[in-house]
Amino acid sequence: SQTIHQWPATLVQPVGSPLSLECTVEGTSNPNLYWYRQAAGRGLQLLFYSVGIGQISSEVPQNLSASRPQDRQFILSSKKLLLSDSGFYLCASDSGGNQETQYFGPGTRLLVL
Amino acid sequence: AQSVAQPEDQVNVAEGNPLTVKCTYSVSGNPYLFWYVQYPNRGLQFLLKYITGDNLVKGSYGFEAEFNKSQTSFHLKKPSALVSDSALYFCAVRLRNTGGFKTIFGAGTRLFVKA
Repeated sequence: SQTIHQWPATLVQPVGSPLSLECTVEGTSNPNLYWYRQAAGRGLQLLFYSVGIGQISSEVPQNLSASRPQDRQFILSSKKLLLSDSGFYLCASDSGGNQETQYFGPGTRLLVL
Repeated sequence: AQSVAQPEDQVNVAEGNPLTVKCTYSVSGNPYLFWYVQYPNRGLQFLLKYITGDNLVKGSYGFEAEFNKSQTSFHLKKPSALVSDSALYFCAVRLRNTGGFKTIFGAGTRLFVKA
């Protein structure tokens, strides 16, 4: 099975500061990678997904961007954080097939003040 | 539109009683259905999935789910609830998307098991 690492685990940032969250994957190659945001311990909002290096699809317009510089590395960034960017960010991975289970990282809790 | 619905925001059950967390779906073609669980401040964990075959699927921690094609449902069940089952549960469906597949998650149902 796949193992997803995320860091940092918790982050407190001022409004207007930059952001970089990192996700790395072990146990697979050429995975599909995803960034989700979860607000208030409820539903998941898909932010970005990637089917390969340098290939990023955005699901919703927003203040964030994503990059995939290596096969098993996925980065979520912002140039200037907003209060509304606060939330729990989850990175996930799967192997791309129709029956595939998604594997999730432990998450990063971001608080923008 | 293809979607997954979890009609209950919260389910309360006493320890030792059976539990059911409901899920209905709306997809074209054959559905690939999943249940995930999330404990506080953690990522989601896979519980079980239905791909084909037997309508009753058994998964981790004693959970099972029944696929009902006529009712387009995939309810999660456990015969005897434990306090440690208290968590947030997500139903999901795997869909074909541009360039491959993607997973659509329901809004989640919070399960409280009282001792």
